[in-house]
Amino acid sequence: AQKITQTQPGMFVQEKEAVTLDCTYDTSDPSYGLFWYKQPSSGEMIFLIYQGSYDQQNATEGRYSLNFQKARKSANLVISASQLGDSAMYFCAMREGSSGGYQKVTFGTGTKLQVIP
Amino acid sequence: EPEVTQTPSHQVTQMGQEVILRCVPISNHLYFYWYRQILGQKVEFLVSFYNNEISEKSEIFDDQFSVERPDGSNFTLKIRSTKLEDSAMYFCASSEGLAVTNEQFFGPGTRLTVL
Repeated sequence: AQKITQTQPGMFVQEKEAVTLDCTYDTSDPSYGLFWYKQPSSGEMIFLIYQGSYDQQNATEGRYSLNFQKARKSANLVISASQLGDSAMYFCAMREGSSGGYQKVTFGTGTKLQVIP
Repeated sequence: EPEVTQTPSHQVTQMGQEVILRCVPISNHLYFYWYRQILGQKVEFLVSFYNNEISEKSEIFDDQFSVERPDGSNFTLKIRSTKLEDSAMYFCASSEGLAVTNEQFFGPGTRLTVL
């Protein structure tokens, strides 16, 4: 079974509008962390936001917020007021905290976001 | 702001040749990782490294791969005899600790092209 599922291979959003990128995850570990990374066409991986499994509040970082619904095992990224520079590939990722391993990050397949002027 | 650096940014090699990809993790970080991303696909974990030894590796990380920390700053990935399917972007990452809150900082990647 996939640990991280991103069902939207591509999304379009109008500049200045908000957009939600979906992510569901699968783990039996009680302790885990969820991350979102942005990958522009230049290829580097840019960390955006983190949500811990025990965090009571949804994470926010500037224009990015994470809609964390633990019971549904979803961790959707919300980008408010989209900008042209937001056009990129976005990856949802997870670290599991008590599996005994060294907490490799498991990535989803990504969503390609294109912001339209 | 400290960052992970990788060299070269792009490496072209002939099938069967050995390549060494280099990374300089963030200086106070103790845990190091290599990931691979084949063009158009998701990022895949290869190996993690701590205290001068491999702590975890994936099934992709076979005998053709090795990692080393030859000195106090560099962290290298060696592919002994490259295959066409090794063509990918290779990311190095490092983290300060193992808590789930410890972000892994990624380098800019090395694009490996095997001809």
